[in-house]
Amino acid sequence: NAGVTQTPKFQVLKTGQSMTLQCAQDMNHEYMSWYRQDPGMGLRLIHYSVGAGITDQGEVPNGYNVSRSTTEDFPLRLLSAAPSQTSVYFCASSYPPYNEQFFGPGTRLTVL
Amino acid sequence: QQQVKQSPQSLIVQKGGIPIINCAYENTAFDYFPWYQQFPGKGPALLIAIRPDVSEKKEGRFTISFNKSAKQFSLHIMDSQPGDSATYFCAAFTGTASKLTFGTGTRLQVTL
Repeated sequence: NAGVTQTPKFQVLKTGQSMTLQCAQDMNHEYMSWYRQDPGMGLRLIHYSVGAGITDQGEVPNGYNVSRSTTEDFPLRLLSAAPSQTSVYFCASSYPPYNEQFFGPGTRLTVL
Repeated sequence: QQQVKQSPQSLIVQKGGIPIINCAYENTAFDYFPWYQQFPGKGPALLIAIRPDVSEKKEGRFTISFNKSAKQFSLHIMDSQPGDSATYFCAAFTGTASKLTFGTGTRLQVTL
């Protein structure tokens, strides 16, 4: 199993550009989530999903969109990137009861 | 408002020492308390976890101590090794909301 995979590893955007961060898992996990990691702030939950067609907001959802059309994939969309979205983004997945989460390797995003 | 407070921010110990990382929480709805270990350039990985009905849990050289009345828990690393040098995050999970809340992280360096 590849586990949780994320693409790209690195990305540089200009303010106002849009992009999609990809996340996929091959463990048939119902639960998937997106976090951002910033220095001194730990990891903060952006959005999460408990199954295909179901998504909900986390602690810092503004500026990000998600959808879950399949069990395997959970893309994160930035519609109009801002410098405040410069961060390392991690995707995670889990099986019930969802308290043990498996993280991907991360995407480092810089917005200029 | 940080729901899970973690200290210290950084810690340097000599090989063989016992680093201790502390966390405190306010929300009594938290029902699962994991610790994650993160190496540079990698995603966090689950290290050890405890439920609030247990006061201590050991796995190898890693021990969690849990004080439910004080709403505090801590990670002890016995006989620490240079390979333990990493960032450690405490976290708390709410089963009813399916959300994981992280502390701000502790950067541990174990010197020879």
